[in-house]
Amino acid sequence: EDKVVQSPLSLVVHEGDTVTLNCSYEVTNFRSLLWYKQEKKAPTFLFMLTSSGIEKKSGRLSSILDKKELFSILNITATQTGDSAVYLCAVERMTGATNKLIFGTGTLLAVQP
Amino acid sequence: KAGVTQTPRYLIKTRGQQVTLSCSPISGHRSVSWYQQTPGQGLQFLFEYFSETQRNKGNFPGRFSGRQFSNSRSEMNVSTLELGDSALYLCASSLLGYEQYFGPGTRLTVT
Repeated sequence: EDKVVQSPLSLVVHEGDTVTLNCSYEVTNFRSLLWYKQEKKAPTFLFMLTSSGIEKKSGRLSSILDKKELFSILNITATQTGDSAVYLCAVERMTGATNKLIFGTGTLLAVQP
Repeated sequence: KAGVTQTPRYLIKTRGQQVTLSCSPISGHRSVSWYQQTPGQGLQFLFEYFSETQRNKGNFPGRFSGRQFSNSRSEMNVSTLELGDSALYLCASSLLGYEQYFGPGTRLTVT
């Protein structure tokens, strides 16, 4: 059965800290791995990763994928209170022309001032 | 470009009733996926529609159904509501099948 596991489940840090969020997966017909940030509303897209070893970067956020070991990490440097959210990892599974995302349960990040 | 819109935003129903939720994708997006989000189960895939055809389906009972219209707008229907159906229902649209953009969700409460 396909599964996506995120760790830790929750995390409390102080502003300025650096955090690393983990996502491991067992999904057949892997196509891509995506990271989303969810605050009080719907998830917003952060990154899509398809190739191993290529870091994607956006400001203080970066992410990398390891397709051999089947995991990805999301790094946030110099955290701010506005980074407080649930971070969701999803793996896209391809079957023919279909598109199915399998989500992890998320990591709840709380950044304290 | 307008984002994904969902209506209604909040809904309260009683057990046994049925409900229809609506989703309008980003203009030009032909793929619409539906998800159920609950605190205990996280975000779970319901189904995906592309060009009015269901392309993929998650592991939900037959009470959950959907359809897509020629303008790519999609509806999701849940019949014979149960207490456990209380959740945030999210729809997401995409252009090429990946990089999905989510709507604000419909919060359904079943009493």
